[in-house]
Amino acid sequence: DSGVTQTPKHLITATGQRVTLRCSPRSGDLSVYWYQQSLDQGLQFLIHYYNGEERAKGNILERFSAQQFPDLHSELNLSSLELGDSALYFCASSVGPGGPPEAFFGQGTRLTVV
Amino acid sequence: GENVEQHPSTLSVQEGDSAVIKCTYSDSASNYFPWYKQELGKRPQLIIDIRSNVGEKKDQRIAVTLNKTAKHFSLHITETQPEDSAVYFCAATGFQKLVFGTGTRLLVSP
Repeated sequence: DSGVTQTPKHLITATGQRVTLRCSPRSGDLSVYWYQQSLDQGLQFLIHYYNGEERAKGNILERFSAQQFPDLHSELNLSSLELGDSALYFCASSVGPGGPPEAFFGQGTRLTVV
Repeated sequence: GENVEQHPSTLSVQEGDSAVIKCTYSDSASNYFPWYKQELGKRPQLIIDIRSNVGEKKDQRIAVTLNKTAKHFSLHITETQPEDSAVYFCAATGFQKLVFGTGTRLLVSP
């Protein structure tokens, strides 16, 4: 167990819908990263939050947004869903800039858009 | 931004053989290089990492080497076992994020 918790584990929804994925980082970690992994693909960086502030953005679609709350949990919001959004969505956490660089992943949320 | 290339994409070995996976990175400012193992449908798990002030690090059957001048780093697995079969990802620190290679599917046959 990495200490990073993601909910839900599985999500099936229809095209055009909106979903929210949740991530609770390890105790003491201030940074949360979101990654998308499509079938048999690599890990595509979406966004990084540190202590509530956005720090870096990757190839995140405008239909996607994220935030990190004062208790440090993070949510990834996906709207106007398309079939191609079906993927595993991982969050990872680390202490943050200046701290130990090790990042640990949650078990992922498998999103299926039908 | 940082770009990480990883080779090979697929590697098949016999049990007991060694396996080597190679990565190159583009950003000379990168200073942390982790390796993750991902089994089918599971989370990537950190298996070993190396920092830029170290040339080599070993943990039992796994070792990593780093050549900062050439911007290369490699994962070496000795005495491979069937349970080593998985996808392995290298990564490098980019600005405020970890940038991952495209992954190597390692298959160890008994």
